[in-house]
Amino acid sequence: GAVVSQHPSRVICKSGTSVKIECRSLDFQATTMFWYRQFPKQSLMLMATSNEGSKATYEQGVEKDKFLINHASLTLSTLTVTSAHPEDSSFYICSAQEDPKNIQYFGAGTRLSVL
Amino acid sequence: AQSVTQLGSHVSVSEGALVLLRCNYSSSVPPYLFWYVQYPNQGLQLLLKYTSAATLVKGINGFEAEFKKSETSFHLTKPSAHMSDAAEYFCAVTSKGGQNFVFGPGTRLSVLP
Repeated sequence: GAVVSQHPSRVICKSGTSVKIECRSLDFQATTMFWYRQFPKQSLMLMATSNEGSKATYEQGVEKDKFLINHASLTLSTLTVTSAHPEDSSFYICSAQEDPKNIQYFGAGTRLSVL
Repeated sequence: AQSVTQLGSHVSVSEGALVLLRCNYSSSVPPYLFWYVQYPNQGLQLLLKYTSAATLVKGINGFEAEFKKSETSFHLTKPSAHMSDAAEYFCAVTSKGGQNFVFGPGTRLSVLP
């Protein structure tokens, strides 16, 4: 099956720093990638939809200046959490959609801890 | 608009017993339905999918699900639970050509020895 690589798997940073998370589709091209946030014992919350070569579409309530998304190629999307604060600590998961099968494949997730 | 409900946030079964995880959906267009499994501190792994072909879908690890349009359901089953099946299970719905997946709240499956 299709493989999505997400890096890093865990990051600990100081408050005020920025953190970049990468999401790569290893064996297929993904025009669309998604970024989710998952709080403990809860379902996934879609943050934004990332389309290759265009601006990301953010869900209501998600600060686009806080969570910068770049989808520069058909195999790579990045999420940068700018000026991170403790409340940004969470589990972030990306997925890539394999067209035209309409299936999303997920990365392993990144646990962000902001001190 | 689409939505998913999963009855039972936590299901416990004995090892070797039948696993039944419930998923009901709402969709104004023909749905595509998915079951994903999530192990602790990991991403989601696709178990199986329904995309308008056969209504009984077989997936990995012995799981299967049946699409029932009349009941708007897509329940996940496995004849005999294994300890390694203990995880969080998410049902999701989208549509052909649809970009967004809508996830259910998840069901935590515990398998007792």
